[in-house]
This record gives sequence, C-alpha cells and structure tokens, in this order.
Amino acid sequence: AQSVTQLDSQVPVFEEAPVELRCNYSSSVSVYLFWYVQYPNQGLQLLLKYLSGSTLVKGINGFEAEFNKSQTSFHLRKPSVHISDTAEYFCAVSGGSNYKLTFGKGTLLTVNP
Amino acid sequence: ETGVTQTPRHLVMGMTNKKSLKCEQHLGHNAMYWYKQSAKKPLELMFVYNFKEQTENNSVPSRFSPECPNSSHLFLHLHTLQPEDSALYLCASSQEYGNTIYFGEGSWLTVV
Repeated sequence: AQSVTQLDSQVPVFEEAPVELRCNYSSSVSVYLFWYVQYPNQGLQLLLKYLSGSTLVKGINGFEAEFNKSQTSFHLRKPSVHISDTAEYFCAVSGGSNYKLTFGKGTLLTVNP
Repeated sequence: ETGVTQTPRHLVMGMTNKKSLKCEQHLGHNAMYWYKQSAKKPLELMFVYNFKEQTENNSVPSRFSPECPNSSHLFLHLHTLQPEDSALYLCASSQEYGNTIYFGEGSWLTVV
C-alpha cells in the first residue's frame, strides 16, 4: 500500500519570496514521485518527476524537488515565486510500472503582490 | 498544448439525459484513465484501460459507463446522473499502466 500526505492545504506567499510545498509518502516498494500543477479551470500538468538517479530534480517554471529516502519526503521548492505560480499543486507516488499512482489532496499556492 | 484532448470542455445535463464525454490521446500511449475531481476532495481514479482492456473499476456507479474502442480513444457514457456527480472529469494516458501520467484539460460536468 502507498499513501501521500501534503502537509499544507494552503500556502500564501508574497511575490518574489521563496516557497516550499511539503510532501511525505509511505510505500512498501521503491517509489516513483511526481509533482503536478493545476492552474485555475485547467487539467493537471506534470511539473517534475523522480524515477531514479540524482535526488535533486529540476522541473518546469523554475521549480525543483528533492527526494529524501530517509525522511520519505519529496518537497517542492522555488527560490522566487511569481503571481502566475498561483495554482494547486499535487504530489503523487507510484511503486513503478504496474503500480497505481496515488495523489495527495493538493496544496493551494497563492502568490500575492 | 496537451497531447490529451477532451470534449466537450463544459457540459450541462439533466438527470434524465444521456450524454458522453470523449477523450483522445495523440501520444501513442497504451493506458488511459478517467479521474473525477470534486470540490474539496482528492482526485478519484474511476477507470483504467491498459491495451484496451479495462483493468480497474474503483466501485464506480453503473450510471457511468466507460468505453475504449482503441488505445487512442476513451469515452465516458453518462445516464441518469445525480447532482452530486457534478465535477471535473479528467482523462489521462500513460505509456503503460504505472508510467508517468499525462492529463487532458478536463470536462466540467454540471448535473441539474
């Protein structure tokens, strides 16, 4: 069984501030980890993914995430956010091929001027 | 621009109507999915098709009926829905089941 916990349901920040969106997971097998972003009135877009290799993963729009196996975390970070980053962010975990993708409940990031 | 296209983007239907949602993927993938996204609820996986065969049905009511005629197309047939079925319905695809999933823009469904 696997599960994902996104610790914050809402994160308000000011423009140009750094942000970290937290994600913890549990899984009995090796994991693939994903972050998706959903802008208002749109579907989910893949932001970045960790399958293997380097634990620091860079994604689109200046976001990055670090896989920490000992802490079972995959936190998403951006050093300086823009108004356009306002969206809902979903963390997801899979045990790999032939395993279901399990999503967290989402974190709403609101960037204020 | 997404490689997964959903139509219609918005649908309003009465409880006695029959309608369908359509999904087409242009990515050469072999697995397709229907998800339901309701306000303030986690994403719910409804159905999975892998190589045109249904491999997962997460206790979805029979008023939702999926159809996968080929690896590129997926339908969700709707009949006698309830107001609580109003939600965003997301189609997605992946190379194979369990690989990276790519989503469409979604179909907003309102049942009146």
